[in-house]
Amino acid sequence: EADIYQTPRYLVIGTGKKITLECSQTMGHDKMYWYQQDPGMELHLIHYSYGVNSTEKGDLSSESTVSRIRTEHFPLTLESARPSHTSQYLCASSGLAGGWETQYFGPGTRLLVL
Amino acid sequence: GQSLEQPSEVTAVEGAIVQINCTYQTSGFYGLSWYQQHDGGAPTFLSYNALDGLEETGRFSSFLSRSDSYGYLLLQELQMKDSASYFCAVRDGDDKIIFGKGTRLHILP
Repeated sequence: EADIYQTPRYLVIGTGKKITLECSQTMGHDKMYWYQQDPGMELHLIHYSYGVNSTEKGDLSSESTVSRIRTEHFPLTLESARPSHTSQYLCASSGLAGGWETQYFGPGTRLLVL
Repeated sequence: GQSLEQPSEVTAVEGAIVQINCTYQTSGFYGLSWYQQHDGGAPTFLSYNALDGLEETGRFSSFLSRSDSYGYLLLQELQMKDSASYFCAVRDGDDKIIFGKGTRLHILP
């Protein structure tokens, strides 16, 4: 059973607001990821981390930032939300399971920016 | 550039067998995975192939040919609950996991 949590699950916010999406995992995984996904569409990697104090930008240009101060915590921050940020944000961590690397996804945060 | 190609949609009949193909082009390769995602849900892991050949897990099987940069997911005895999107993913040489665009599987009764 994967133990990865995201809060909030749903968020409606006005343009220009600063928001932080929380992600925590209790599996002790070093690798964590943030994806953006519109309904029925592909997953876009926006940030990833290989461990504490390690953060990298993904393939999709994003106006968000991340931090990794603790192994279990990987928050995503939007300094100034815009309607174009409306989407679902999925957090994931990966570790070895059964001899191979598996990604475990959180339930996602659905963001609506008005 | 790095890319994974899979069909955008596949339709099959309940009880039948369906195969979803995936071809990849990446810098380095450590393995091919498959994930299932139901509408409104998060992706969940289905299978992983690091070596050539077929891996079977219940009604689902996954195949890999590294020389052809090709793999597929085979779903047998299709059930209505198998209606979902299926993503192939590759762990590349930088140890990043790259996802395909997903294949939406429609199952007809």
